Amino acid sequence: SQTIHQWPATLVQPVGSPLSLECTVEGTSNPNLYWYRQAAGRGLQLLFYSVGIGQISSEVPQNLSASRPQDRQFILSSKKLLLSDSGFYLCAWSVGPYNEQFFGPGTRLTVL
Amino acid sequence: QKEVEQDPGPLSVPEGAIVSLNCTYSNSAFQYFMWYRQYSRKGPELLMYTYSSGNKEDGRFTAQVDKSSKYISLFIRDSQPSDSATYLCASLNQAGTALIFGKGTTLSVSS
Repeated sequence: SQTIHQWPATLVQPVGSPLSLECTVEGTSNPNLYWYRQAAGRGLQLLFYSVGIGQISSEVPQNLSASRPQDRQFILSSKKLLLSDSGFYLCAWSVGPYNEQFFGPGTRLTVL
Repeated sequence: QKEVEQDPGPLSVPEGAIVSLNCTYSNSAFQYFMWYRQYSRKGPELLMYTYSSGNKEDGRFTAQVDKSSKYISLFIRDSQPSDSATYLCASLNQAGTALIFGKGTTLSVSS
């Protein structure tokens, strides 16, 4: 069966520091991969999605970036965090034409 | 207008009640719809998905799509305290590349 891992689970970072969040999927090949941010009262915001290694689409222009160095690995990064980057970051994967997405456990990021 | 809208609640019901959760969507080209359940501080989990109009049943849960009114519903029968969570509706976008989520409705079932 398929599983999705995210780490770290919780992160507290100062403003201006770098960020690296990692997501890996097991038990499937060539999945579509997604990064979302969930802020209180604002729902799920799609940040990036990837249909293959090295293929990244950005949905929202901001100081975050994403990379997919391997088929089942998706990384979210920032060079300098802002206060507004605080939130719950979720990675998801999907296969097939109807895009049913399956989410990881999330990373709670607090920027101070 | 948001493409998928959902009343955030909160919605409080007693154990055993029938719960109705609803969303509306604006794009008549949307055809594929999903419901997710999210417990506090956890990732969303896929509950059900439906294609086009009609009903789909899975145990105590029924998903319904009314394309004429652009209305999506999730019914929970015999609600349990363990159903207390935030419920998110979603629609596959026209290009088929991404899901568009509502903001979620928070449900509390009291014993």
